[in-house]
Amino acid sequence: GAVVSQHPSRVICKSGTSVKIECRSLDFQATTMFWYRQFPKQSLMLMATSNEGSKATYEQGVEKDKFLINHASLTLSTLTVTSAHPEDSSFYICSAITGGRAQHFGDGTRLSIL
Amino acid sequence: AQSVTQPDIHITVSEGASLELRCNYSYGATPYLFWYVQSPGQGLQLLLKYFSGDTLVQGIKGFEAEFKRSQSSFNLRKPSVHWSDAAEYFCAFTGGGSQGNLIFGKGTKLSVKP
Repeated sequence: GAVVSQHPSRVICKSGTSVKIECRSLDFQATTMFWYRQFPKQSLMLMATSNEGSKATYEQGVEKDKFLINHASLTLSTLTVTSAHPEDSSFYICSAITGGRAQHFGDGTRLSIL
Repeated sequence: AQSVTQPDIHITVSEGASLELRCNYSYGATPYLFWYVQSPGQGLQLLLKYFSGDTLVQGIKGFEAEFKRSQSSFNLRKPSVHWSDAAEYFCAFTGGGSQGNLIFGKGTKLSVKP
């Protein structure tokens, strides 16, 4: 149980384009979803917390206009990297939580901006 | 400040040997504690968690962890390591509040010698 699906697993695109990443909870309803960014050989950095039907809460230093988060339903949250540039290249991971405290993670998206 | 310390960046053990990965946390109360494992290019898989009760918790894949309040520690152990255990291991915690934001350690990379 508690499966989180993240799509796509890998994206390569040109600088200036926008990229959308989807995070779905497949077998449970996620009251809260989280988006993380992970740099090579480093730990996860929380970018934002997303609650269904409300605006996302962004961590300090994360550009809201650059990283658009939409949590339209209890099973789907999306992260859109707008006007992506090479410095946005990274590994992005989502997670979802139900009524308990344990977060369940997707398999991540490797974003490469050329 | 709230933080997680994993003092060992990289550990190498022989297959069949025992393993202990160290984790210390800094938090003003008893946190909810987790161990996650990440294989290269993958998301995070929950190994085990401690919320309350018995301080020795059992997880998946033969792992266990012991919460020691006096030492602010939550060390991960496995009696006999398998080659498939080679991965990155992250200790994390969340405190009070409904959001469940995780604070991660920097991770310990485990290599397994044949």
